[in-house]
Amino acid sequence: AQKVTQAQTEISVVEKEDVTLDCVYETRDTTYYLFWYKQPPSGELVFLIRRNSFDEQNEISGRYSWNFQKSTSSFNFTITASQVVDSAVYFCALSEAWGSSNTGKLIFGQGTTLQVKP
Amino acid sequence: GAGVSQSPRYKVTKRGQDVALRCDPISGHVSLYWYRQALGQGPEFLTYFNYEAQQDKSGLPNDRFSAERPEGSISTLTIQRTEQRDSAMYRCASSLPSVATGVSYEQYFGPGTRLTVT
Repeated sequence: AQKVTQAQTEISVVEKEDVTLDCVYETRDTTYYLFWYKQPPSGELVFLIRRNSFDEQNEISGRYSWNFQKSTSSFNFTITASQVVDSAVYFCALSEAWGSSNTGKLIFGQGTTLQVKP
Repeated sequence: GAGVSQSPRYKVTKRGQDVALRCDPISGHVSLYWYRQALGQGPEFLTYFNYEAQQDKSGLPNDRFSAERPEGSISTLTIQRTEQRDSAMYRCASSLPSVATGVSYEQYFGPGTRLTVT
């Protein structure tokens, strides 16, 4: 069965601190995709990144970076120099590869609430 | 361009009434997903459409829940004889068509419909 675990329920940091959000996943598929979504206080779900299981390169986008390690089944998300606007719930998600018997549905973790204080 | 839209944004209904929730996906997105998100939880998959075909309804909790997408664009999720436990945020998402097996694209979510059953 597929599963995503975000062990950190809530994290509180002070502005400009670096913070890492952990994500551990379980799947028996060899081809799969991992995602991060942000849910700000306004409630919408905002797509941040998609990574497939064959691409273990780390990715950096501005203050955001992602570390994908298949050996530990982890896909962690780091925010450098956090800002108050980063305060949100962050979800990690796993998707089976779309195909004849797979629909690409997302399996979400429970989410990590990040509070960045000024 | 326009994102995914959902209506109504808020719905309060009395137990036993039927409700219909509407989703208008991004133009050109043939894959459409419905999710349900309880407070403090990640979204959970309900059902999936590829064009007008409902290819996966494994997440629908019981036969009071149904969905349709008759023309391959707008979709409606219907809950009959609502119960208090149906209260949640119902989210719709759409994604690009997966033309190759093994590829899953990111899903773009609508603002959701907050359903409250009293």
